[in-house]
Amino acid sequence: AQSVTQLDSQVPVFEEAPVELRCNYSSSVSVYLFWYVQYPNQGLQLLLKYLSGSTLVKGINGFEAEFNKSQTSFHLRKPSVHISDTAEYFCAVSESGGTSYGKLTFGQGTILTVHP
Amino acid sequence: DAGVIQSPRHEVTEMGQEVTLRCKPISGHNSLFWYRQTMMRGLELLIYFNNNVPIDDSGMPEDRFSAKMPNASFSTLKIQPSEPRDSAVYFCASRDSPNTGELFFGEGSRLTVL
Repeated sequence: AQSVTQLDSQVPVFEEAPVELRCNYSSSVSVYLFWYVQYPNQGLQLLLKYLSGSTLVKGINGFEAEFNKSQTSFHLRKPSVHISDTAEYFCAVSESGGTSYGKLTFGQGTILTVHP
Repeated sequence: DAGVIQSPRHEVTEMGQEVTLRCKPISGHNSLFWYRQTMMRGLELLIYFNNNVPIDDSGMPEDRFSAKMPNASFSTLKIQPSEPRDSAVYFCASRDSPNTGELFFGEGSRLTVL
């Protein structure tokens, strides 16, 4: 069975500072990995995804993530954050095969708060 | 495109009442998911369908919960009888490819059971 662990429940940061949101996953088969963002009172929106190929994935709003198979991690980064990046961020995993094929499992979420 | 449409957006009901949440996925999408979000448990997958067929309902909390997808453009999640611990935001999401595509979320149905 697949699982996702987001290592930080809350991350406060000042505007224009860099940020990293950490995500580790567990699976017995190959996986696809995703980061979603949720703004208050809204549904989730896709930031970026890793399916195969280059381990560095670039997404919307200047975010990027790096897939590290040996460490089973998929950390999200942004070199300079803005106030508007304040939101909750979710890491998600989907297995590429096996009995859980198609099932998308989310982590517990990380609340990013950007202070002026 | 209208996106995933959920109704009602807000529902307040009393314990023991039946609750029905509705979802219209994006036209052409063949996978549909129901998630529940609470502060304590985060975002939990309840059930998902491929081509209107339930694939995995292991996340459905108990027999009080049931979900149907009678056709490609409509799904319901029913709770009967409802309990205060069912209070949460329920999200419906759809996608157009089996595993690698983006999941599109509705705006959620906020349920409060008194």
